[in-house]
Amino acid sequence: AQTVTQSQPEMSVQEAETVTLSCTYDTSESDYYLFWYKQPPSRQMILVIRQEAYKQQNATENRFSVNFQKAAKSFSLKISDSQLGDAAMYFCAYSSSTGANSKLTFGKGITLSVRP
Amino acid sequence: DGGITQSPKYLFRKEGQNVTLSCEQNLNHDAMYWYRQDPGQGLRLIYYSQIVNDFQKGDIAEGYSVSREKKESFPLTVTSAQKNPTAFYLCASRGQGYNSPLHFGNGTRLTVT
Repeated sequence: AQTVTQSQPEMSVQEAETVTLSCTYDTSESDYYLFWYKQPPSRQMILVIRQEAYKQQNATENRFSVNFQKAAKSFSLKISDSQLGDAAMYFCAYSSSTGANSKLTFGKGITLSVRP
Repeated sequence: DGGITQSPKYLFRKEGQNVTLSCEQNLNHDAMYWYRQDPGQGLRLIYYSQIVNDFQKGDIAEGYSVSREKKESFPLTVTSAQKNPTAFYLCASRGQGYNSPLHFGNGTRLTVT
């Protein structure tokens, strides 16, 4: 079974600075998808970014980018120019390529605070 | 607009009572999921369904039951056998393909006293 580990329960960043959130996973599969979700205080889950394991290029969405290291099974999220609205809980998730509608496995999440 | 509707937002029940959480989607997704969220535990999968009239247990299915009679609906029943039912419950759906993300509802906060 796949596992997702987010070892840092909390992090803090100064507004306008850059922060990196760590995520590691364990799998024996060669093809899979990885996701980062954001959960603000409203508790609505919002997709931030996704990465396919076969793509070597790291995904980027505006101020959000990932550092995907397949051999190390690492999938970190970098937030540039942090804003107060980035304060939230962030979850890393793994999707197996087995089956058409496979379940997602989530990490325990990391709470990010942004200092003004 | 398409989306997922969970109701109610807050639910209170007495211990020993069964309670059903509603989840409806109009995204035409085949797959639907129920997750439970507790502080420090992340999201844990309770049940999921990939097609109408079929569903599978997730990692923490004990004390829960589901049905999938319609594509649009995937209600979750928290039974009296669930020892710690107080939690935040999230319903999600997903389109075809493992690259498809989950689309989440706004969640239901269940408090059992």
